[in-house]
Amino acid sequence: GENVEQHPSTLSVQEGDSAVIKCTYSDSASNYFPWYKQELGKRPQLIIDIRSNVGEKKDQRIAVTLNKTAKHFSLHITETQPEDSAVYFCALYNQGGKLIFGQGTELSVKP
Amino acid sequence: DAGVIQSPRHEVTEMGQEVTLRCKPISGHNSLFWYRQTMMRGLELLIYFNNNVPIDDSGMPEDRFSAKMPNASFSTLKIQPSEPRDSAVYFCASSYVYNEQFFGPGTRLTVL
Repeated sequence: GENVEQHPSTLSVQEGDSAVIKCTYSDSASNYFPWYKQELGKRPQLIIDIRSNVGEKKDQRIAVTLNKTAKHFSLHITETQPEDSAVYFCALYNQGGKLIFGQGTELSVKP
Repeated sequence: DAGVIQSPRHEVTEMGQEVTLRCKPISGHNSLFWYRQTMMRGLELLIYFNNNVPIDDSGMPEDRFSAKMPNASFSTLKIQPSEPRDSAVYFCASSYVYNEQFFGPGTRLTVL
């Protein structure tokens, strides 16, 4: 069955440093991989996504890489800022249309 | 579009009472999801609908929980009877199948 493992569960970095969050999955049929950011007390919101026909996608300080052979995808945040502090979730769709979320990574950016 | 609309935003009730949470998805979306979020269990999918039909309700914790989607623009999640362990934030989300899910603001439920 589908499964998404997300690491690390917590991550603390200094402002200006980079942060990397990784997810591995088991369902080789998955082809859509979104990342959500959830600030304290707010709803999860999409920050970037990637489809399986692309290996990398970038949006300003945020990038996502996908390795379908190895079944893992990663979120990269460069030049981190305090406002990047939040919980980040990776996710993927199974064949039935169900979005499977990772366990979440609590990112703390210290000024 | 106003986005996904949920009501109420906050609900405080006593154990044993019936609770009904409401959701209006984004117009045109054909998938609707109900999630529960707690510190201990994280973000859990309770049930989801495609074209108003329940597809997977394996996440519904007990028979006390039920969900309906009578039409494309409205869904309810009902808990009867409610218990203190049901206290959580309940999110509704909608999407086109296999595309970005948009979350509502959530309903914070407290069962005393």
